[in-house]
Amino acid sequence: GVTQSPTHLIKTRGQQVTLRCSSQSGHNTVSWYHQQALGQGPQFIFQYYREEENGRGNFPPRFSGLQFPNDSSELNVNALELDDSALYLCASSRQGQPYGYTFGSGTRLTVV
Amino acid sequence: EDQVTQSPEALRLQEGESSSLNCSYTVSGLRGLFWYRQDPGKGPEFLFTLYSAGEEKEKERLKATLTKKESFLHITAPKPEDSATYLCAVPGAQKLVFGQGTRLTINP
Repeated sequence: GVTQSPTHLIKTRGQQVTLRCSSQSGHNTVSWYHQQALGQGPQFIFQYYREEENGRGNFPPRFSGLQFPNDSSELNVNALELDDSALYLCASSRQGQPYGYTFGSGTRLTVV
Repeated sequence: EDQVTQSPEALRLQEGESSSLNCSYTVSGLRGLFWYRQDPGKGPEFLFTLYSAGEEKEKERLKATLTKKESFLHITAPKPEDSATYLCAVPGAQKLVFGQGTRLTINP
């Protein structure tokens, strides 16, 4: 499956944070989603394929990512704001087979 | 732009009381519709994919159906362990577009 680390994180406003994701075996595409609350659907941040950004949602440039040759991924957020507090979800899939999204359990980020 | 709307936002049922959740969508060309289950603090867990109007899929007490404008998730004789948020989503360009979810609570 997809594993994310850490599971929980508390940061101070203005700091930077890095979240990590290991894809499911055989998957070569990684997407990141932001979910403010359980009453809100996950919002697309960006997708990476072949180590390049392959699509981006309405998130500012201080949200950035990386995909590594082993298809693992990082999400970096600079200059944290209180509103960045959310559940960050990673999903892996195989390019050309978009219907096989597998989600990780997420990282709960709290910005104080 | 693709849009997905779910109703109701929250639903509380007694154990054994059947009901349905609705997912309405507006897309330029449907390439599938997904249902997920999400428990608090967890990622979405895949339930069903539906590809064409008239298609139905079942899993235990859940059955998903699809028309040209909406999908329903029918829950028959639910149990307390079916309590969760149920999300539907459609595939857009490089992403899934989610509805806001229906929070389902089953009381014993």
